[in-house]
Amino acid sequence: DQQVKQNSPSLSVQEGRISILNCDYTNSMFDYFLWYKKYPAEGPTFLISISSIKDKNEDGRFTVFLNKSAKHLSLHIVPSQPGDSAVYFCASGGGNQFYFGTGTSLTVIP
Amino acid sequence: DTGVSQDPRHKITKRGQNVTFRCDPISEHNRLYWYRQTLGQGPEFLTYFQNEAQLEKSRLLSDRFSAERPKGSFSTLEIQRTEQGDSAMYLCAGQGETRDNEQFFGPGTRLTVL
Repeated sequence: DQQVKQNSPSLSVQEGRISILNCDYTNSMFDYFLWYKKYPAEGPTFLISISSIKDKNEDGRFTVFLNKSAKHLSLHIVPSQPGDSAVYFCASGGGNQFYFGTGTSLTVIP
Repeated sequence: DTGVSQDPRHKITKRGQNVTFRCDPISEHNRLYWYRQTLGQGPEFLTYFQNEAQLEKSRLLSDRFSAERPKGSFSTLEIQRTEQGDSAMYLCAGQGETRDNEQFFGPGTRLTVL
């Protein structure tokens, strides 16, 4: 039973434009939400997070938005760069356990 | 580089053999997690340690799987009597006392069971 879903397996964006990656979760008790980026042959690396008490968190080109009523979060990357091409995982949970989505493969076209 | 290392990076074994993987987090990581990732899926939680204490285990962790963290530093994950369905990437992640709750992943051990 997938508690965290990323419904878009892939996304292609032109360099300089905005990339929007989406994630849905099912458990309203989740209180922390994270995005990870993964390159081939490497483990996921942390990108940005947000707690349930906020609805937006920004770090440079990366912004995460949380809509608790819709159980939805999104990651905005602007402007997108070719180096952003990777697989992006969202993770949701709290306490000691986090659940990961299946990932969205982002390709930024130069 | 997250500072978390895993050994070996690749392991090929025959069905029925036992395998052991090692994870070395950095010293600040009082929490350590093991995950399994198969093709097209995200990491799936297997187990979690707070220092040397194993505090949670997933239903995915059958009795053929055992994990230890004897001194609260490195950890090992052993799979006994491997099956073809055990073929996956095994990731470990360390976590310290951070504001963002982020975990620092190692590069993973890719297991192939023939």
